[in-house]
Amino acid sequence: AQSVTQLGSHVSVSEGALVLLRCNYSSSVPPYLFWYVQYPNQGLQLLLKYTSAATLVKGINGFEAEFKKSETSFHLTKPSAHMSDAAEYFCAVSGPGGYNKLIFGAGTRLAVHP
Amino acid sequence: EADIYQTPRYLVIGTGKKITLECSQTMGHDKMYWYQQDPGMELHLIHYSYGVNSTEKGDLSSESTVSRIRTEHFPLTLESARPSHTSQYLCASSEDSRNYGYTFGSGTRLTVV
Repeated sequence: AQSVTQLGSHVSVSEGALVLLRCNYSSSVPPYLFWYVQYPNQGLQLLLKYTSAATLVKGINGFEAEFKKSETSFHLTKPSAHMSDAAEYFCAVSGPGGYNKLIFGAGTRLAVHP
Repeated sequence: EADIYQTPRYLVIGTGKKITLECSQTMGHDKMYWYQQDPGMELHLIHYSYGVNSTEKGDLSSESTVSRIRTEHFPLTLESARPSHTSQYLCASSEDSRNYGYTFGSGTRLTVV
């Protein structure tokens, strides 16, 4: 069965520092993976997706993620954090059964301090 | 710009009232979903639909009901609201979740007093 584990429910970085949000997946089929961002009192917005093309995926707002099959990981990174990056981030994997459902991780709250 | 709309954005209502949360999308997506999210918590799938006249319960048991009479419309109803229903409700749609993921609405924050 498909599942996603996000390591660290809270991550705090300084403005300008590297952002690293961790996501490990379990999948019985080749995974399709996604990162979403949620700002306060908003819905989720797609940051980037991996759909079996390039293993390094670039998304919006300067974020990128690398698919590593050997480590079953899809970690999200950004070289330099901005205050506006403070939000909740969710990793998701496409579920079984006709590819119709996404399975979400528990989320990681990113705080950026001056 | 959002192509999926949820109304109302915020709702405060008394216990025992019947409420309907609206969700509409203009993208022609067959698949639609309702998630419940408590503050700072993970998403829980409560209902989904693969097309008109198709509805299924999700992973989290919910006292709410849904209907799908039109492709673009997927309302969620609570017959008798209780304080335990206080939460954020997120609606999403997809044509092909494997390749494109979901498009989410902005959510409805419900408070039952």
